[in-house]
Amino acid sequence: DTAVSQTPKYLVTQMGNDKSIKCEQNLGHDTMYWYKQDSKKFLKIMFSYNNKELIINETVPNRFSPKSPDKAHLNLHINSLELGDSAVYFCASSQEGSGTALSFGPGTRLTVL
Amino acid sequence: GQNIDQPTEMTATEGAIVQINCTYQTSGFNGLFWYQQHAGEAPTFLSYNVLDGLEEKGRFSSFLSRSKGYSYLLLKELQMKDSASYLCAVRDGGANNLFFGTGTRLTVIP
Repeated sequence: DTAVSQTPKYLVTQMGNDKSIKCEQNLGHDTMYWYKQDSKKFLKIMFSYNNKELIINETVPNRFSPKSPDKAHLNLHINSLELGDSAVYFCASSQEGSGTALSFGPGTRLTVL
Repeated sequence: GQNIDQPTEMTATEGAIVQINCTYQTSGFNGLFWYQQHAGEAPTFLSYNVLDGLEEKGRFSSFLSRSKGYSYLLLKELQMKDSASYLCAVRDGGANNLFFGTGTRLTVIP
């Protein structure tokens, strides 16, 4: 009955590889997000997506791409991984509307060697 | 752009009261949120302010002054389990995205 789930929880990979992180929410929310939390614990938005539009933070390299097969899923694909991509990636969801809080998934700790 | 500032670290004693401040400058404003994040865990929602004033929720209260671009989170009767990072986040007025400050790491000591 987990609200927002992510897989895998840990991901260790070599530089240059391509990897994906999956996210699913069962809250019926219409907007999903990806956030990156670096070693200094700064939580930075990467993407927000609902069935109407994808909003990309302009600082995110185009090696990162979100894929949403349906309203309950927003996966993150990363191509040509770099050392600086090592971080914790959080998926989140919310209902459209300014007063609604984000519900976060448990996070995926990505380590690039 | 968005600029959200919080103190990096604070220490307080069990049973005491602590106030964590947040100042912000954002392009548009559509509400301010406080989240709690324990080490190795996901952020969890604490409070939401969109109008000026104080919102109280048990031991936690949050205050907002939109004209000053200022908020604080007040934690009363501190418990050891309150040791965590507290994240201030502002929802912008355009795309409704939530932008986070760098967080304040609170350590509660006996």
